[in-house]
Amino acid sequence: DAGVIQSPRHEVTEMGQEVTLRCKPISGHDYLFWYRQTMMRGLELLIYFNNNVPIDDSGMPEDRFSAKMPNASFSTLKIQPSEPRDSAVYFCASNSRGAGMNTEAFFGQGTRLTVV
Amino acid sequence: GNSVTQMEGPVTLSEEAFLTINCTYTATGYPSLFWYVQYPGEGLQLLLKATKADDKGSNKGFEATYRKETTSFHLEKGSVQVSDSAVYFCALRLLTGGFKTIFGAGTRLFVKA
Repeated sequence: DAGVIQSPRHEVTEMGQEVTLRCKPISGHDYLFWYRQTMMRGLELLIYFNNNVPIDDSGMPEDRFSAKMPNASFSTLKIQPSEPRDSAVYFCASNSRGAGMNTEAFFGQGTRLTVV
Repeated sequence: GNSVTQMEGPVTLSEEAFLTINCTYTATGYPSLFWYVQYPGEGLQLLLKATKADDKGSNKGFEATYRKETTSFHLEKGSVQVSDSAVYFCALRLLTGGFKTIFGAGTRLFVKA
């Protein structure tokens, strides 16, 4: 398996534009997580899905952020409209509960978002 | 609530020095504990883990022991290398309340030749 795949790796956009980040989890994994990493706040969990259903979105900062998982192999995180303070590295991770409670989450390489 | 506290970085060491990165946790249940490492420009990857009290996780010369009495999971390595320069994250996962992993803030390690 190629691991968790995120795209794009880098995104530069102007304030006010819509941004869509994409993630393909590892095949067979039933949990998908979106994290945001900044120097100030560290690694924050934004939202996670189980079997394509959002379970906990309490970390989503505001209504400008939305996430979907239309099927088991694809998820998106959308920011509309984007603001400079959204600049961060966004990570997607996946895991399989069937593999046991002690299995680790597997992370993608991240999308570095810069909003100017 | 459930949380992880790590020592603040950056930590700067010379090659072959001894490394300790402190990690303590607060949990309402009985968690599994993890250390992840993030190399520059990459995502997080598992370094080691422990699932019950007194378990020792080890990998690549790194070790950490699950101490329930002190709610700690300190990371140690006897002799660091320049290639160990990275950010290290301590994390926990509970057996109940969902399948999410809670991370500490991360500790950046610089190793000088």
